[in-house]
Amino acid sequence: QQQVKQSPQSLIVQKGGISIINCAYENTAFDYFPWYQQFPGKGPALLIAIRPDVSEKKEGRFTISFNKSAKQFSLHIMDSQPGDSATYFCAARNPGTYKYIFGTGTRLKVLA
Amino acid sequence: KAGVTQTPRYLIKTRGQQVTLSCSPISGHRSVSWYQQTPGQGLQFLFEYFSETQRNKGNFPGRFSGRQFSNSRSEMNVSTLELGDSALYLCASSLGQGPYTEAFFGQGTRLTVV
Repeated sequence: QQQVKQSPQSLIVQKGGISIINCAYENTAFDYFPWYQQFPGKGPALLIAIRPDVSEKKEGRFTISFNKSAKQFSLHIMDSQPGDSATYFCAARNPGTYKYIFGTGTRLKVLA
Repeated sequence: KAGVTQTPRYLIKTRGQQVTLSCSPISGHRSVSWYQQTPGQGLQFLFEYFSETQRNKGNFPGRFSGRQFSNSRSEMNVSTLELGDSALYLCASSLGQGPYTEAFFGQGTRLTVV
């Protein structure tokens, strides 16, 4: 119930392509769904986040799609660039405990 | 607004020693969470403090402990270090209450146990 399942584990995309990372959750009480981007040796940086009453949120080349009925959400990176090569984590917040549950991460490599 | 500050950035310790890591949250944030990150293991939750009280705890042995001060700064202590404790230790700060509160991470402390 407390898990967030993230896939794929790794992803290779050509420059200019679309990168798609998926997450699924079980606990319908989760109330906030952020995505983090982490470069080697750095802490995760908040990238974009969505509330469950919104189906899509876009910020620049990054879009979150949220499907409440399927309990799934995904990150789309349009026009992927080599500089996007990083590890991406999805997360979900439990409003009862204020605790964030993280996915296992996706290592994205964008080929030049 | 200053971000989350973790000190030190790097540490090398010998097996059996103890270590203390520090985290200064974003001003106004009352929640600090600690995570252990090892290659291929993702973010393993250690514990979370809110207003000086431990509110959540992960599945780590008692050698891992923490505390939070009245100014919301937090410390994490690991006693009797083992080689397997080598990791990137991250702290994240948030308001800790209210809806849709975001968590912001520090740069981490890289601990190497030799």
